[in-house]
Amino acid sequence: ILNVEQSPQSLHVQEGDSTNFTCSFPSSNFYALHWYRWETAKSPEALFVMTLNGDEKKKGRISATLNTKEGYSYLYIKGSQPEDSATYLCAFRRGGADGLTFGKGTHLIIQP
Amino acid sequence: GAGVSQSPSNKVTEKGKDVELRCDPISGHTALYWYRQSLGQGLEFLIYFQGNSAPDKSGLPSDRFSAERTGGSVSTLTIQRTQQEDSAVYLCASSLTVAGTYEQYFGPGTRLTVT
Repeated sequence: ILNVEQSPQSLHVQEGDSTNFTCSFPSSNFYALHWYRWETAKSPEALFVMTLNGDEKKKGRISATLNTKEGYSYLYIKGSQPEDSATYLCAFRRGGADGLTFGKGTHLIIQP
Repeated sequence: GAGVSQSPSNKVTEKGKDVELRCDPISGHTALYWYRQSLGQGLEFLIYFQGNSAPDKSGLPSDRFSAERTGGSVSTLTIQRTQQEDSAVYLCASSLTVAGTYEQYFGPGTRLTVT
C-alpha cells in the first residue's frame, strides 16, 4: 500500500496572504508527482506534473517544488485570492505503475 | 475541444440493483482511468485502459465491479448487486497515453447513492 500524505488537511488563509502545503510520498521507485486543484462541483484540474528531483514549476501565482530523495513536494500560493479556494490534491505515480495514488487533499479556504 | 464527459451525473439506486456508469474520454486519448472517492476518503484508483485493454484489474474493490472499453473510446463501469458501501463519486480521466508523464484530464464524475 502506497502512502501519500498531505498536510494540513484544511487551511484558512486571509486574502492577500501567501501560503503553502505539503505532500509526502514514498521516495523509492519514483516516477512522477501530480498536483490537481478540485473546486466544488467541478472536475479536478491538473496543475503540474513533476518528474525530476529539484524540479520547480510555476503557473501564475502557484508554484511547486519536488524532492524525490526525501519524498516530499510543496505547493505555494502567493497573494491568495478567493478563487484559489479549493481542495488541492497531490498524486504519486510509481515506476511501472498504472494509475495515480492520491492523497486526501488540503482544503484551502481564502477569507476575504 | 470537448473534455471528458460522464453520465449520469447523479444516480440513486436501491441496494441489490445493477448500475452502469459511462465515460466518454477526450478524442485521441488512448488511456482511460476510473477512480472513486468515498466520503472522507481520497481518490482511489480502480482500473485503467490502454486502448481497449485493461492489463490490471486488481484495483477493482470486488468481483461485483467490472469495466469495459470498446473501440478505444467510451468506457462503462458496471457495479452488480450494489451495496451501500459502493456509494461514492466515480471519476473518469483520460490522457494521451498511459506511458510517460501526461496529465490526466478528469470528467465531472457520477455521484452514486445506494439506498
